[in-house]
Formats: sequence, C-alpha cells, structure tokens
Amino acid sequence: GAGVSQSPSNKVTEKGKDVELRCDPISGHTALYWYRQSLGQGLEFLIYFQGNSAPDKSGLPSDRFSAERTGGSVSTLTIQRTQQEDSAVYLCASSLRSGFTDTQYFGPGTRLTVL
Amino acid sequence: KQEVTQIPAALSVPEGENLVLNCSFTDSAIYNLQWFRQDPGKGLTSLLLIQSSQREQTSGRLNASLDKSSGRSTLYIAASQPGDSATYLCAVRYGGSQGNLIFGKGTKLSVKP
Repeated sequence: GAGVSQSPSNKVTEKGKDVELRCDPISGHTALYWYRQSLGQGLEFLIYFQGNSAPDKSGLPSDRFSAERTGGSVSTLTIQRTQQEDSAVYLCASSLRSGFTDTQYFGPGTRLTVL
Repeated sequence: KQEVTQIPAALSVPEGENLVLNCSFTDSAIYNLQWFRQDPGKGLTSLLLIQSSQREQTSGRLNASLDKSSGRSTLYIAASQPGDSATYLCAVRYGGSQGNLIFGKGTKLSVKP
C-alpha cells in the first residue's frame, strides 16, 4: 500500500474492556513496530516483529498487553482489561529491515481513551 | 539508562529565521540517529537518518549533524516557513540493526507568518 495504515483512528472504551488495535504495514516491509505516546511523554517502544516472530517484547508494560502478526503483514495489538493509564496514542511503524539503513515509516496512530 | 533529551520543549520564531533544534543522548554507543516531524493528529514522518559513522545529513532546507563523542545532534532548519510548524522528534537506535528507537519528547516548533 501507499503507507502504513491503522484502525480504528479513535477508540473510546470503558475501563475493564478489551480492545484490539490493527496495523497494516507497507507491503514488503518485514519489520513492524508498536509504540505508545502518552500525553506529555515521548514515544515508548512496546514490541517489534521481524516477520511473524517478536524477538523483542521488552517494552510491553504488563501481561495485559499482547500482539501478534500473521502472514508477515497485518499486526494486532490487544489490551485486555483496559485501565485509564492505557489512554494514549498507539503508533505502528514498519521498515524494510534492509540492514544498515532502516528508516521506519509510521502510521497515523490510534487514539485510545479509557473512561 | 539510555535517555534522549530535546531542548527546547517549544520554540516560536518568525517566518524566515534560521533555527536549531537540539538533541542529546546519554550513551554515545549509538547505531544511528533519526529526526522525525509529527503533525497534530498524524503519525511521524522521517526527515533525516544519520548513521553512527556519519557527521551530517542534508535534505533541502534541513541539515542534521551528529557528534557522538559529546552525545549531541542538531537539526538546522534554514529560512523557516509556517509549514514547518510541527513537533520535531529525535530518536536514537542502540544495539545494532536489531535495536529499537529511543525517542526524545520532542520540540514543538511554531513558525509565525
């Protein structure tokens, strides 16, 4: 596709509910990243996929957060039993992972609000 | 702890001015450094990527420099325009090509016509 797309663009949910956020990377990009941007904070790395495997899950803040990627393409970030502190913009990025130069291309993000 | 700091947090300048945004990082063993811009409600757009072996990169009116030994990078914007108004983020990659980006909190730039 032309760029990284994410859905939904906005999500409002009640505390305790589960949410799923979707990311469609640029076609052909093997690497996919999830970040979180909280109000007044920098971008926080969550998880990284190379193909369908996630060699680095170190940024996931708790076991309520999980992510998967299928077919080396679409990825879903799932947050279970959402809490108010989960409110943030969740950004997805993809890259070719061609080695030395590895520019990440970002999607527009999903703004999650937990009431 | 590897941290990235950006100063100032916000900057307002009149159109036409040249300006410099600053980025500092605590661990000089970086793999590369990248500058992004973020427009309100939108994702990030990559501006420039500097490898650890490079000193600077240029794209149009933008010039980014890297001084690993002092842990600093600067983004120079020449002849600023109102369309340059955005938040500029600096991100550092450690750990080689498998490492992940560590972001600063950004500098919010406003260029007034």
